[in-house]
Amino acid sequence: DTAVSQTPKYLVTQMGNDKSIKCEQNLGHDTMYWYKQDSKKFLKIMFSYNNKELIINETVPNRFSPKSPDKAHLNLHINSLELGDSAVYFCASSQVRNEKLFFGSGTQLSVL
Amino acid sequence: SQQGEEDPQALSIQEGENATMNCSYKTSINNLQWYRQNSGRGLVHLILIRSNEREKHSGRLRVTLDTSKKSSSLLITASRAADTASYFCATDASGGYNKLIFGAGTRLAVHP
Repeated sequence: DTAVSQTPKYLVTQMGNDKSIKCEQNLGHDTMYWYKQDSKKFLKIMFSYNNKELIINETVPNRFSPKSPDKAHLNLHINSLELGDSAVYFCASSQVRNEKLFFGSGTQLSVL
Repeated sequence: SQQGEEDPQALSIQEGENATMNCSYKTSINNLQWYRQNSGRGLVHLILIRSNEREKHSGRLRVTLDTSKKSSSLLITASRAADTASYFCATDASGGYNKLIFGAGTRLAVHP
């Protein structure tokens, strides 16, 4: 029973397309996050939500739009995909903000 | 940048040896955390140490924190091949940053 699940695991798409990544956690946590890991393994926060409210929006292009329909879900929609968006995107959750994050298994996005 | 830096970038040891990884950071923190990432997987939380703590243990893991030097170390004793992974430190900076900042990671290879 996966604690933080995100789909799809792999996403290959053309430049200019719009795509979504879904994330769900069954841990009852109040805070959810999206992180981006680049090819050099640097992990950077993109967004964090606390109980469906946006807490952090870390200078991410507005082509990226998170949406939290309820506190168990945090989806990421990306418009007009660019080559530089290729990376692994991780969803995570925690009960206490910024402590003991549980990560999903990641979505590898490849933009061609 | 407040980002933590791990040292060394890569470490190769034999099974049974101890592995030590270091992390330095730049600003005052609330806590420092260590995470493990196996290849192609999400990060797994290992241990959290708060700014008023100096040492913490969890199984074969020992973490120290020196706030005067703004540094932490992770020691894995009696390493096993299954410990092969990347290890990241993450700092929850005080002073309103409100985000967890990850270092670049140490790649540990444990050879049978």
